[in-house]
Amino acid sequence: DARVTQTPRHKVTEMGQEVTMRCQPILGHNTVFWYRQTMMQGLELLAYFRNRAPLDDSGMPKDRFSAEMPDATLATLKIQPSEPRDSAVYFCASGLVVGPRSSYNSPLHFGNGTRLTVT
Amino acid sequence: AQSVTQPDIHITVSEGASLELRCNYSYGATPYLFWYVQSPGQGLQLLLKYFSGDTLVQGIKGFEAEFKRSQSSFNLRKPSVHWSDAAEYFCAVNNQGGKLIFGQGTELSVKP
Repeated sequence: DARVTQTPRHKVTEMGQEVTMRCQPILGHNTVFWYRQTMMQGLELLAYFRNRAPLDDSGMPKDRFSAEMPDATLATLKIQPSEPRDSAVYFCASGLVVGPRSSYNSPLHFGNGTRLTVT
Repeated sequence: AQSVTQPDIHITVSEGASLELRCNYSYGATPYLFWYVQSPGQGLQLLLKYFSGDTLVQGIKGFEAEFKRSQSSFNLRKPSVHWSDAAEYFCAVNNQGGKLIFGQGTELSVKP
């Protein structure tokens, strides 16, 4: 059963440290999303990629966050320097988009998330 | 701007009772609507989706949802709730940019 894999599952770090979260999308999926979930804000879209190219990262604080896809099997989300307000669960999701119209209907498959705590 | 509203933050139902979770959306064009479920410590799992056609869609685990354009609603229903249905439920709309916009979620508790 194919699934999205996220590592690490949990991360505790001190303020100011660099944090790197990794995501392995489902093989064959060409669209990858990063979401952040907090009690206050719910699920927020941070960034997403199609065919490894960033399409939208407007939800991401640019000064400290960066998202990349070094290859089709790996997506990374980095925070440098981390702050306590970054504490949240970060989800990666992948989907398959096969044409312009399909961008409306590809269901996403979510990983189990990385729970980040910044002290 | 596209948005999704789930008016109920928390709902408690008795096991065996029927369930309806509300979802209202704001979207200029024909929406593509989804319901996801999240169990504690897990990612989100797709329950069902609406793209077009029949306004009553069936999903997994005995769930269904009805799209009502006149009310801008996409409510989730289940005739008889099981204790294992306790989870958080998210309604979402897929906008023209391909982004999935989520509601705030409704937490479902099930009483024995």
